[in-house]
Amino acid sequence: AQTVTQSQPEMSVQEAETVTLSCTYDTSESDYYLFWYKQPPSRQMILVIRQEAYKQQNATENRFSVNFQKAAKSFSLKISDSQLGDAAMYFCAYRSASGANSKLTFGKGITLSVRP
Amino acid sequence: DTEVTQTPKHLVMGMTNKKSLKCEQHMGHRAMYWYKQKAKKPPELMFVYSYEKLSINESVPSRFSPECPNSSLLNLHLHALQPEDSALYLCASSQHMTSGISSYEQYFGPGTRLTVT
Repeated sequence: AQTVTQSQPEMSVQEAETVTLSCTYDTSESDYYLFWYKQPPSRQMILVIRQEAYKQQNATENRFSVNFQKAAKSFSLKISDSQLGDAAMYFCAYRSASGANSKLTFGKGITLSVRP
Repeated sequence: DTEVTQTPKHLVMGMTNKKSLKCEQHMGHRAMYWYKQKAKKPPELMFVYSYEKLSINESVPSRFSPECPNSSLLNLHLHALQPEDSALYLCASSQHMTSGISSYEQYFGPGTRLTVT
């Protein structure tokens, strides 16, 4: 079974600075997808970024980028130029590429606060 | 349009009540999901529907009864709930693999905050 580990329960960042959220996972599969989801206090879960395991290039979405290290099974999220609106709970998630309805396995999440 | 809508936003019900949660998406997605989420915890998968058929039931108690009337709608019928069932109930949808589009993202609705008294 796959597992996703987010070992830091909380982090804080100064507005306009950069922060990195850590995530590691364990799987015996070679083909899979990794995601970072953001859930602000208003509660809607929003997809931040996706990484396909077969792609060597790290995914980037505006101020959000990942450092995907397949061999190390590490998938960290870097948020540049942090904004107050980035304050939220962030979940790292894994999904197998085999099977149409394969489940999302979530990490425990990390609460990010942004200091003005 | 990447929107999943859920109604109601909030629901308070007694342990003897029967109520339903509703979820709707118009993205053409053929997989739909129900999750339960406790505060500061990740979502826990309850049910998955694929092409309007129940494909995964994560050993959820029978007091939760899902229904998928059509490809756009997903309901969760609630009966004789317990106080520990109080939580945020999230609906999500995603493309189906056989559509030829390998999009694996799940899109979540805003949730229904359920309180059982």
